[in-house]
Amino acid sequence: DAGVTQSPTHLIKTRGQQVTLRCSPKSGHDTVSWYQQALGQGPQFIFQYYEEEERQRGNFPDRFSGHQFPNYSSELNVNALLLGDSALYLCASSFDGELNEKLFFGSGTQLSVL
Amino acid sequence: GQQLNQSPQSMFIQEGEDVSMNCTSSSIFNTWLWYKQEPGEGPVLLIALYKAGELTSNGRLTAQFGITRKDSFLNISASIPSDVGIYFCAGQLAGNQFYFGTGTSLTVIP
Repeated sequence: DAGVTQSPTHLIKTRGQQVTLRCSPKSGHDTVSWYQQALGQGPQFIFQYYEEEERQRGNFPDRFSGHQFPNYSSELNVNALLLGDSALYLCASSFDGELNEKLFFGSGTQLSVL
Repeated sequence: GQQLNQSPQSMFIQEGEDVSMNCTSSSIFNTWLWYKQEPGEGPVLLIALYKAGELTSNGRLTAQFGITRKDSFLNISASIPSDVGIYFCAGQLAGNQFYFGTGTSLTVIP
């Protein structure tokens, strides 16, 4: 049973560049949520995708956008990178039809903006 | 957004000791999840709680959903070195996103 997979594991970019991170959900899951985790902090909710649409969004600027594909995989795009965007980006998947929701996380993508 | 306060912020304990940590909020949650995160990895789900007063165990770990629904507790019995990591609570409002706490860093001294 494949868990949540994310790619790449590490990424180095410079200010102003754009980045795309990828996530494949756990087998049987249809919902993908993205989180940003700064060093020493808890994960902060960016947005959630379900049925290929953004269903909920946290307090992040429009530079952060996403997409969900028919196979439930997802991408997170960040434009015009800032130094403050350096963080661990986590993808979590869940099954919308489950009464008692659980989030399962991938290992994350460590993004460094120089 | 919602703020979840975890305490203590960090713990240094001897191997074999029991550990207690908690998570509090000003909001009422319908779901509490507890995670453990090790360096360079994503959080791993330990225990899920869905009813006020619920007590759930996973091996040496026991978690409780507070009666007020504004807090949750995690206990680890007879700690071992591999318990080292950061423990996060996460609370969910009905049908809403999960909010994470600030974490409790656990160090176990052999």
